[in-house]
Amino acid sequence: QVQLVQSGAEVKKPGASVKVSCKASGYTFISYGISWVRQAPGQGLEWMGWISAYNGNTNYAQKFQGRVTMTTDTSTSTAYMELRSLRSDDTAVYYCANTANDAFDIWGQGTKVTVSS
Amino acid sequence: IQLTQSPSFLSASVGDRVTITCRASQGISSYLAWYQQKPGKAPKLLIYAASTLQSGVPSRFSGSGSGTEFTLTISSLQPADFATYYCQQLNSYPITFGQGTRLEIK
Repeated sequence: QVQLVQSGAEVKKPGASVKVSCKASGYTFISYGISWVRQAPGQGLEWMGWISAYNGNTNYAQKFQGRVTMTTDTSTSTAYMELRSLRSDDTAVYYCANTANDAFDIWGQGTKVTVSS
Repeated sequence: IQLTQSPSFLSASVGDRVTITCRASQGISSYLAWYQQKPGKAPKLLIYAASTLQSGVPSRFSGSGSGTEFTLTISSLQPADFATYYCQQLNSYPITFGQGTRLEIK
């Protein structure tokens, strides 16, 4: 079964870091890339960045440059997204998505990250 | 590249034909996708490359357009179609989404 399974919900204090995982199964992980998208409560979709599962190249949205790191572990077909210096407005559901040439065709179930003191 | 969807909210009845428009601030060729999202769920890919139906998506969904103007059409609304719809451009980084169109039952 083709799927992306994400790690569980997190609660963090302002200033902390969070690392979300996204494990792929049912397809050849290194053939594509993984994008990370977040959705704040009641808001739309916001692209955070992309990582090539083949060679680790990345492209981050300017808004997150310096605060986000995306990595992959090809031995376990897992992608990771670490966001540092968390603020209350980072509270959101974070999604990973398999990024083919023309679309995000497979999505993880989402990971809720709550930032609160 | 900014994507502007219209309308932002749409009220319609089962069986209606509805069209959602997505306008890009600059040309994006056919690098446009459409997604459906239901509350508490991840988005689901409906259409890619502006007009190609994703495998398993009902044929009542269709997409058209190129350049800067695109449409998503649902030919006959079904109860399962009431959701929020997003367009997305993949022509260039940063990848961007439209603000969404919420489709509700009249």
